[in-house]
Order: sequence, then C-alpha cells, then structure tokens
Amino acid sequence: QSALTQPLSASGSPGQSVTISCIGSSSDIGAYNFVSWYQQHPGKAPKLIIYGVSSRPSGVPDRFFGSKSANTASLTVSGLQAEDEADYYCNSYAGSNTVVFGGGTKLTVL
Amino acid sequence: EVQLLESGGGLVQPGGSLRLSCVASGFPVYNSPMTWVRQTPGKGLEWVSLIYGGHDNTYYADSVRGRFTISRDTSTNTLYLEMNSLRAEDTALYYCAKEHRTGYGSYEYWGQGTLVTVSS
Repeated sequence: QSALTQPLSASGSPGQSVTISCIGSSSDIGAYNFVSWYQQHPGKAPKLIIYGVSSRPSGVPDRFFGSKSANTASLTVSGLQAEDEADYYCNSYAGSNTVVFGGGTKLTVL
Repeated sequence: EVQLLESGGGLVQPGGSLRLSCVASGFPVYNSPMTWVRQTPGKGLEWVSLIYGGHDNTYYADSVRGRFTISRDTSTNTLYLEMNSLRAEDTALYYCAKEHRTGYGSYEYWGQGTLVTVSS
C-alpha cells in the first residue's frame, strides 16, 4: 500500500493549461482503470472531479481532463480560472479491495 | 439528497480508544460500500477501511489493521469506526465517504470530517 507520487505544487496563469502527474506502479494505476481525481479547497471536503481515469461526474466542467499511460495518471486543467486554485489528489484501486491515494498537489493560479 | 455526518472525534491519549460515527441520509448504508478516509497535514489523504456486501466484508489499510474495526448499523443507518491502541500518527481528520456508482475508490460523497487528536 505505497502512496502514489504527485508533485508538491503546480502553477499556471489564468487561461493557461496545467497538467498534474500521479505516478503509481503495476499493482495499482498500471493494473486497473480505476483512477480518480479530487479537488479540495481549504476547509472543505474533497470533491470528486474525475473517476474511471477520464470520466467526469455531472456538473464538473470539461476543462478537467484525466488520462493514463502505463503506471502514470494525469490531470489536465485547461483554461485555468481563479477558482481552480486548490489541492488536487489522485487515487487508484490497488486490488484486494484497497485504495491508495497520492500525496496531493497544490495548484496555484498566478 | 445524500448526506453524511461524522462525529465522535476528540482528544485521546496514546493507547486509548475512540469510536467514530457517520450518520447517513438519502440512501441505505447496508446497500452501499462505505469507506473511512483520513487526512493529515503532512501526509494528505489516506484510505483507512472499507465495508461492503451483504456479509459485511471488511478491509483495512496495513497501518490500522488489528487496531481499527469498521461496522454499520442498518437500524440507525450509521457507519462506525472503532479505534483502539491509538498512536500519535493516527491524528487526523477522519471522513466517511460513499462511492460513485462505478465504485473502486471513486468517492462521490463525503462528510465534513471529525478530528481525532492523539496526544498526552
């Protein structure tokens, strides 16, 4: 149950795109198409923004795009807006009914 | 409307015990996989435990296995986390979460969290 690896921080200017990586292993991200991404604003609970690698729940803007290649998942936020400034976490199903999270990435909109 | 409301957190000494509750509304807990996730400032989010299925199958992170017990009460529609032999590293904000219909770790609904502090 090793944590997934995310960069501590990412940044971009309004209107730009930014991509956050989430590195796992052949036991989690590489083995299953069950990667989710969460957005968390200060003092709030996490909000699901991507599930199943690239699907968006109802109400999540299509500016948020998820993808996966081998053992690495990625979240791309395009057309950055001020309200996108938040912490972002990935997670992956890791087999045997367990889940592993990434350490989180703080996204700053410059 | 799905709602989750945690309670039971507080300050406890190392080696002590605490029971967290999560009252659910808008859906039956017996029919849904339910999970506890905790969050610490230094380590981010950590999956703690899962309960699902008609026979209450339970699963735990290595860090809590043998010390924590997840359960649910269908009469009160409540999820529980019994925590024993608490350690300083268990200090965290504990969330209960309900999965999206596709499951497998996609948590669509979260409570507001309850804070557990383990300190002497």
